[in-house]
Amino acid sequence: NAGVMQNPRHLVRRRGQEARLRCSPMKGHSHVYWYRQLPEEGLKFMVYLQKENIIDESGMPKERFSAEFPKEGPSILRIQQVVRGDSAAYFCASSTTARQAYEQYFGPGTRLTVT
Amino acid sequence: AQSVAQPEDQVNVAEGNPLTVKCTYSVSGNPYLFWYVQYPNRGLQFLLKYITGDNLVKGSYGFEAEFNKSQTSFHLKKPSALVSDSALYFCAVSPPGSNTGKLIFGQGTTLQVKP
Repeated sequence: NAGVMQNPRHLVRRRGQEARLRCSPMKGHSHVYWYRQLPEEGLKFMVYLQKENIIDESGMPKERFSAEFPKEGPSILRIQQVVRGDSAAYFCASSTTARQAYEQYFGPGTRLTVT
Repeated sequence: AQSVAQPEDQVNVAEGNPLTVKCTYSVSGNPYLFWYVQYPNRGLQFLLKYITGDNLVKGSYGFEAEFNKSQTSFHLKKPSALVSDSALYFCAVSPPGSNTGKLIFGQGTTLQVKP
Protein backbone atom coordinates (compact mmCIF):
# COMPACT_ATOMS: atom_id res chain seq x y z
CA ASN A 1 0.00 0.00 0.00
CA ALA A 2 1.76 3.09 -1.22
CA GLY A 3 1.87 6.02 1.14
CA VAL A 4 1.11 9.63 0.38
CA MET A 5 3.08 10.69 -2.67
CA GLN A 6 4.24 14.17 -3.49
CA ASN A 7 6.07 15.50 -6.49
CA PRO A 8 8.33 17.04 -7.22
CA ARG A 9 10.44 16.54 -4.11
CA HIS A 10 12.46 19.65 -4.87
CA LEU A 11 11.36 22.61 -6.95
CA VAL A 12 13.34 25.71 -7.84
CA ARG A 13 11.53 28.71 -9.24
CA ARG A 14 12.59 32.23 -10.05
CA ARG A 15 10.63 35.11 -8.58
CA GLY A 16 7.46 35.69 -10.57
CA GLN A 17 7.13 32.15 -11.88
CA GLU A 18 4.41 29.68 -10.99
CA ALA A 19 4.92 26.68 -8.71
CA ARG A 20 2.68 23.64 -8.99
CA LEU A 21 2.86 21.01 -6.27
CA ARG A 22 1.16 17.63 -6.56
CA CYS A 23 -0.13 15.25 -3.93
CA SER A 24 -1.58 11.78 -4.35
CA PRO A 25 -3.26 10.60 -1.15
CA MET A 26 -3.08 7.10 0.21
CA LYS A 27 -5.39 4.63 -1.45
CA GLY A 28 -8.85 4.90 0.00
CA HIS A 29 -8.25 8.37 1.47
CA SER A 30 -10.52 11.11 0.23
CA HIS A 31 -9.45 13.88 2.63
CA VAL A 32 -6.37 15.95 1.82
CA TYR A 33 -4.61 18.59 3.89
CA TRP A 34 -1.80 20.93 2.89
CA TYR A 35 0.66 22.32 5.44
CA ARG A 36 3.60 24.66 5.05
CA GLN A 37 6.80 24.46 7.06
CA LEU A 38 8.89 27.59 7.02
CA PRO A 39 12.55 27.33 8.09
CA GLU A 40 12.93 26.86 11.85
CA GLU A 41 9.17 26.70 12.32
CA GLY A 42 6.51 24.08 12.81
CA LEU A 43 3.92 23.13 10.26
CA LYS A 44 1.09 25.54 9.58
CA PHE A 45 -2.24 24.41 8.20
CA MET A 46 -3.12 25.86 4.81
CA VAL A 47 -6.13 24.10 3.32
CA TYR A 48 -8.35 21.05 3.64
CA LEU A 49 -10.03 19.50 0.63
CA GLN A 50 -12.27 16.63 -0.26
CA LYS A 51 -12.81 15.43 -3.80
CA GLU A 52 -13.90 18.45 -5.88
CA ASN A 53 -14.47 20.59 -2.80
CA ILE A 54 -12.46 23.03 -0.72
CA ILE A 55 -13.74 22.63 2.81
CA ASP A 56 -11.45 24.87 4.84
CA GLU A 57 -8.96 27.32 3.37
CA SER A 58 -8.56 29.44 6.46
CA GLY A 59 -4.76 29.05 6.40
CA MET A 60 -4.24 29.98 2.78
CA PRO A 61 -2.77 33.38 1.91
CA LYS A 62 -5.44 35.47 0.28
CA GLU A 63 -3.54 36.05 -2.93
CA ARG A 64 -1.48 33.92 -5.32
CA PHE A 65 -2.27 30.59 -3.61
CA SER A 66 -4.92 28.13 -4.73
CA ALA A 67 -5.64 24.45 -4.28
CA GLU A 68 -7.77 21.83 -5.93
CA PHE A 69 -8.56 18.15 -5.58
CA PRO A 70 -10.30 17.02 -8.76
CA LYS A 71 -12.46 13.98 -9.13
CA GLU A 72 -9.64 12.25 -10.96
CA GLY A 73 -5.97 12.81 -10.31
CA PRO A 74 -3.86 14.32 -7.57
CA SER A 75 -4.47 17.34 -5.42
CA ILE A 76 -2.64 20.42 -6.68
CA LEU A 77 -1.33 23.36 -4.69
CA ARG A 78 -0.60 26.26 -7.02
CA ILE A 79 1.43 29.32 -6.17
CA GLN A 80 1.42 32.08 -8.73
CA GLN A 81 4.09 34.76 -9.05
CA VAL A 82 6.27 33.23 -6.37
CA VAL A 83 8.32 35.41 -4.04
CA ARG A 84 11.32 34.56 -1.87
CA GLY A 85 9.08 34.29 1.20
CA ASP A 86 7.31 31.33 -0.40
CA SER A 87 10.46 29.24 0.02
CA ALA A 88 9.44 26.45 2.37
CA ALA A 89 8.62 22.78 2.62
CA TYR A 90 5.06 21.99 1.64
CA PHE A 91 3.56 18.85 3.07
CA CYS A 92 0.44 17.05 2.02
CA ALA A 93 -1.40 14.73 4.37
CA SER A 94 -4.36 12.45 3.82
CA SER A 95 -6.91 10.75 6.00
CA THR A 96 -9.87 8.45 5.67
CA THR A 97 -12.05 10.96 7.50
CA ALA A 98 -12.09 14.48 8.82
CA ARG A 99 -13.01 13.28 12.26
CA GLN A 100 -10.61 14.59 14.87
CA ALA A 101 -9.68 11.25 16.32
CA TYR A 102 -8.07 9.98 13.16
CA GLU A 103 -4.41 10.56 12.43
CA GLN A 104 -3.20 12.03 9.18
CA TYR A 105 -0.59 10.40 6.98
CA PHE A 106 2.03 12.71 5.56
CA GLY A 107 3.91 12.70 2.31
CA PRO A 108 7.66 13.40 2.05
CA GLY A 109 7.07 17.04 1.15
CA THR A 110 8.04 19.35 -1.67
CA ARG A 111 10.86 21.73 -0.89
CA LEU A 112 10.31 24.93 -2.83
CA THR A 113 13.20 27.30 -3.32
CA VAL A 114 12.56 30.69 -4.88
CA THR A 115 15.63 32.40 -6.30
CA ALA B 1 -6.03 31.65 20.51
CA GLN B 2 -5.46 27.93 20.25
CA SER B 3 -1.81 26.97 20.36
CA VAL B 4 0.74 24.30 21.11
CA ALA B 5 4.08 25.00 22.76
CA GLN B 6 7.21 22.91 22.81
CA PRO B 7 9.44 24.83 25.22
CA GLU B 8 12.70 23.15 24.23
CA ASP B 9 14.26 23.62 20.82
CA GLN B 10 16.62 20.73 21.48
CA VAL B 11 16.88 17.86 23.94
CA ASN B 12 20.13 15.98 24.38
CA VAL B 13 20.25 12.57 26.02
CA ALA B 14 22.69 9.71 26.22
CA GLU B 15 21.78 6.40 24.67
CA GLY B 16 20.10 4.12 27.19
CA ASN B 17 18.85 6.99 29.34
CA PRO B 18 15.19 7.96 29.60
CA LEU B 19 14.01 10.85 27.47
CA THR B 20 11.23 13.41 27.78
CA VAL B 21 10.10 15.86 25.12
CA LYS B 22 7.72 18.44 26.52
CA CYS B 23 4.48 19.76 25.06
CA THR B 24 1.81 22.05 26.46
CA TYR B 25 -1.34 23.16 24.76
CA SER B 26 -3.85 25.96 25.01
CA VAL B 27 -7.29 25.09 23.74
CA SER B 28 -10.73 25.25 25.25
CA GLY B 29 -12.50 21.98 25.87
CA ASN B 30 -11.08 18.49 25.48
CA PRO B 31 -8.48 18.31 22.74
CA TYR B 32 -7.22 15.42 20.71
CA LEU B 33 -3.42 15.31 20.96
CA PHE B 34 -0.82 13.80 18.67
CA TRP B 35 2.91 13.25 18.43
CA TYR B 36 4.70 13.01 15.09
CA VAL B 37 8.37 12.43 14.26
CA GLN B 38 10.23 13.83 11.26
CA TYR B 39 13.49 12.39 9.99
CA PRO B 40 15.70 14.52 7.72
CA ASN B 41 14.15 15.17 4.31
CA ARG B 42 11.19 12.97 5.14
CA GLY B 43 7.54 13.56 5.92
CA LEU B 44 6.04 13.29 9.36
CA GLN B 45 5.36 9.88 10.83
CA PHE B 46 2.59 9.31 13.33
CA LEU B 47 3.78 8.12 16.76
CA LEU B 48 0.75 8.17 19.04
CA LYS B 49 -2.41 10.00 19.98
CA TYR B 50 -4.59 10.76 22.97
CA ILE B 51 -8.33 10.78 22.43
CA THR B 52 -9.87 9.81 25.72
CA GLY B 53 -9.45 7.31 28.53
CA ASP B 54 -6.16 6.30 30.11
CA ASN B 55 -3.83 9.25 30.51
CA LEU B 56 -0.81 7.17 29.53
CA VAL B 57 -0.78 6.42 25.84
CA LYS B 58 1.58 3.94 24.22
CA GLY B 59 2.73 4.32 20.65
CA SER B 60 5.24 3.23 18.05
CA TYR B 61 8.93 2.44 18.64
CA GLY B 62 8.54 2.22 22.42
CA PHE B 63 7.34 5.79 22.86
CA GLU B 64 4.60 6.79 25.24
CA ALA B 65 3.01 10.05 26.28
CA GLU B 66 1.25 11.23 29.39
CA PHE B 67 -1.80 13.45 29.18
CA ASN B 68 -2.17 15.82 32.13
CA LYS B 69 -5.34 17.86 31.95
CA SER B 70 -4.63 20.08 34.96
CA GLN B 71 -1.23 21.06 33.54
CA THR B 72 -2.48 21.04 29.93
CA SER B 73 0.52 18.96 28.98
CA PHE B 74 1.20 15.95 26.78
CA HIS B 75 4.86 15.06 27.26
CA LEU B 76 6.48 12.39 25.11
CA LYS B 77 8.60 9.81 26.90
CA LYS B 78 10.73 6.77 26.30
CA PRO B 79 12.38 4.69 29.04
CA SER B 80 15.59 4.01 27.12
CA ALA B 81 16.71 6.20 24.21
CA LEU B 82 18.34 4.89 21.05
CA VAL B 83 20.68 6.77 18.73
CA SER B 84 18.17 6.08 15.97
CA ASP B 85 15.57 8.10 17.90
CA SER B 86 17.46 11.26 16.94
CA ALA B 87 14.98 13.31 14.91
CA LEU B 88 12.60 16.26 15.01
CA TYR B 89 9.49 15.73 17.11
CA PHE B 90 6.24 17.60 16.76
CA CYS B 91 3.32 17.80 19.13
CA ALA B 92 -0.04 18.65 17.56
CA VAL B 93 -3.61 19.25 18.65
CA SER B 94 -6.90 18.90 16.86
CA PRO B 95 -9.05 21.63 18.40
CA PRO B 96 -12.31 20.64 20.06
CA GLY B 97 -15.32 21.11 17.86
CA SER B 98 -13.32 21.09 14.67
CA ASN B 99 -15.18 19.43 11.84
CA THR B 100 -12.19 19.44 9.53
CA GLY B 101 -9.57 17.54 11.49
CA LYS B 102 -6.89 20.15 10.82
CA LEU B 103 -3.92 20.06 13.16
CA ILE B 104 -2.18 22.83 15.06
CA PHE B 105 1.50 22.02 15.49
CA GLY B 106 4.13 23.07 17.98
CA GLN B 107 7.38 24.44 16.63
CA GLY B 108 9.18 21.14 17.06
CA THR B 109 11.91 19.78 19.31
CA THR B 110 15.12 18.26 18.00
CA LEU B 111 16.09 15.16 19.93
CA GLN B 112 19.77 14.28 19.87
CA VAL B 113 20.71 10.90 21.33
CA LYS B 114 24.45 10.42 21.76
CA PRO B 115 26.13 7.02 21.94
